[in-house]
Amino acid sequence: GAVVSQHPSWVICKSGTSVKIECRSLDFQATTMFWYRQFPKQSLMLMATSNEGSKATYEQGVEKDKFLINHASLTLSTLTVTSAHPEDSSFYICSASVSDGGNSPLHFGNGTRLTVT
Amino acid sequence: GDSVTQMEGPVTLSEEACLTINCTYTATGYPSLFWYVQYPGEGLQLLLKATKADDKGSNKGFEATYRKETTSFHLEKGSVQVSDSAVYFCALSDRGTSYDKVIFGPGTSLSVIP
Repeated sequence: GAVVSQHPSWVICKSGTSVKIECRSLDFQATTMFWYRQFPKQSLMLMATSNEGSKATYEQGVEKDKFLINHASLTLSTLTVTSAHPEDSSFYICSASVSDGGNSPLHFGNGTRLTVT
Repeated sequence: GDSVTQMEGPVTLSEEACLTINCTYTATGYPSLFWYVQYPGEGLQLLLKATKADDKGSNKGFEATYRKETTSFHLEKGSVQVSDSAVYFCALSDRGTSYDKVIFGPGTSLSVIP
C-alpha cells in the first residue's frame, strides 16, 4: 500500500515553455504533499508543501510564480515549472504521507527528470 | 532549526564487508527518524524507521538504533552486497510540525564492489 505515482518520469522541453508534473496518491488520501528538488549528487531540497484546497507553502528562496503548485484533490498535486530555463533542469520528486503526527514516513514518487534545452 | 548530519561519502566497500554510516541530528521536539535509500535513477524508498528513543529499525539486513543521548541514528549492515550500492539518506520528522515536514541529511553514496 501507500503508493505515490509521479508522471512523467522524464521530460525534455525547450527554454521558455512550461512543464507540468503530476503526483498522485494511488491508494490513500493525502491532505498534504511535498515537492522536492534534487541536484546531481546532492540531497533533497524541500521546495513547497502542498495542501489540498489551499495555497501551497513555499520554502524560502523558491519562486512562487516560477513553480506553480495546485493540490486539486486529496489524491492529486501538480507542479508546473513556468517559462523553464536550463537552470531549472533537475530531478523533481513529490511525496505524501498519512498525517498522524509525524510517525508515518513519507512515500515518494519515482521522480521526474526535467531537462530544459 | 532541525537538521541532520551524515558522514561524507562516497563510501566504497568490498562485498561482504561491514557497513556503518553515521548520522546525527538536531531537533527541538521528539522526532521520528528514518533511513531512505535511492538507487540509481530512481526515487527514494523507505529503508527503516524508529519513532522513539531506543527503538531499533531494521530491514533487508540493515539496522539503526534511535539514540537520544547521543542524538544519533547510525545505519549498520554486517555484510553488504553489490545490490546495496545506492545513496542513503538519514532523515527526521519532527512531531512538533503540522505537516510532517521531513528534513534530509546530505546523503551518503555507497559503492560495493565484487
